[in-house]
Amino acid sequence: DAGVTQSPTHLIKTRGQQVTLRCSPKSGHDTVSWYQQALGQGPQFIFQYYEEEERQRGNFPDRFSGHQFPNYSSELNVNALLLGDSALYLCASNRLEGLAGGISYNEQFFGPGTRLTVL
Amino acid sequence: AQSVTQPDIHITVSEGASLELRCNYSYGATPYLFWYVQSPGQGLQLLLKYFSGDTLVQGIKGFEAEFKRSQSSFNLRKPSVHWSDAAEYFCAVGGKNTDKLIFGTGTRLQVFP
Repeated sequence: DAGVTQSPTHLIKTRGQQVTLRCSPKSGHDTVSWYQQALGQGPQFIFQYYEEEERQRGNFPDRFSGHQFPNYSSELNVNALLLGDSALYLCASNRLEGLAGGISYNEQFFGPGTRLTVL
Repeated sequence: AQSVTQPDIHITVSEGASLELRCNYSYGATPYLFWYVQSPGQGLQLLLKYFSGDTLVQGIKGFEAEFKRSQSSFNLRKPSVHWSDAAEYFCAVGGKNTDKLIFGTGTRLQVFP
């Protein structure tokens, strides 16, 4: 059973360019979250996708956008790249389930990440 | 404001020694607390989690953590560290009805033989 996979592993871009990162969730999972981890920092939540829609969003500008496909895989797009966008981008997946009175938390499984370098 | 503080950036211990990594959180609602480990080139692996109930939780690889509401802390412990435990450790907080996790800045653990 494959876990969360991400592509590419590494990426080098220049300022102003656009980039697309890809994520395939763990089998059986329907929800994908994206995190940005700058060097020496903890991961920061970018957004989450469920049923092909953005369910939650962190404090990131509109240059960061995403998409989820019917097979639950997801893309993260970043436009007009800045030097400060250099980071490890992590994808996490889980299965969203509803319980009476609210939504339970299911463990998020993280992929190995994509290392983006902006020159 | 919601936040997680890991006061120790870097900790060095000898193999076989005990370990405690500190974590303090600030969260407006009932917190769900997590410890993750990240090895170089790897994603985050969940060590343990606390949602409710017994405040002492057991995790994988011999780790445990204790939730102390009065101190807003969730410290990670291991009685005897192995060289393979050298990695970066992250504490995180989340809550009901959200999968958004707020992470601390991490503690890098170095283990000497």
